Amino acid sequence: DSGVTQTPKHLITATGQRVTLRCSPRSGDLSVYWYQQSLDQGLQFLIQYYNGEERAKGNILERFSAQQFPDLHSELNLSSLELGDSALYFCASSVEAGSNQPQHFGDGTRLSIL
Amino acid sequence: AQKITQTQPGMFVQEKEAVTLDCTYDTSDPSYGLFWYKQPSSGEMIFLIYQGSYDQQNATEGRYSLNFQKARKSANLVISASQLGDSAMYFCAMREYDQGGSEKLVFGKGTKLTVNP
Repeated sequence: DSGVTQTPKHLITATGQRVTLRCSPRSGDLSVYWYQQSLDQGLQFLIQYYNGEERAKGNILERFSAQQFPDLHSELNLSSLELGDSALYFCASSVEAGSNQPQHFGDGTRLSIL
Repeated sequence: AQKITQTQPGMFVQEKEAVTLDCTYDTSDPSYGLFWYKQPSSGEMIFLIYQGSYDQQNATEGRYSLNFQKARKSANLVISASQLGDSAMYFCAMREYDQGGSEKLVFGKGTKLTVNP
């Protein structure tokens, strides 16, 4: 158990819909990261938050947005969903960026677009 | 340009034998970190081992060790005494970060390891 909690584990929805993925980081971790894993793109970094502030952006579509709340949990919002958004979405957390501590991953949310 | 290269899409090993999974990386930063993660068929990402660019010794964690050759920019994972439960996808990743506190992991495409009884 990594200590990172992601909900829901599975999500099935239709094109054009909007979903919210939730992540609770490990106790004491201030940085939260979101990654997307798909068959064609592999594991790709989406976005990083540190103590409530956005720190880094990767290959995140404009239809996607995220935030980190004062209690440090984070949400990833995906809107106007397309078939290609079907993927496994991971949240990870770490104590702080740039340290020698690893990013610990949650079990992921598997999103299926029908 | 691909920053993390894992050249072995699939590897097979007999139970109780050792196996080496290859990883090469590309960076011009003097300070970086390298990680290996295991992803079983159930999907979760499990941290295995970390090597910092300034670490003098190769990292070890139980049956996992990292063969770090800085000049060759390689960070191969060695699993000793393979077990059936080691069958999984293995990802090498490099940490990219800056002084502003931004950080991300860049992953290779992975190697699927199958341990045969």
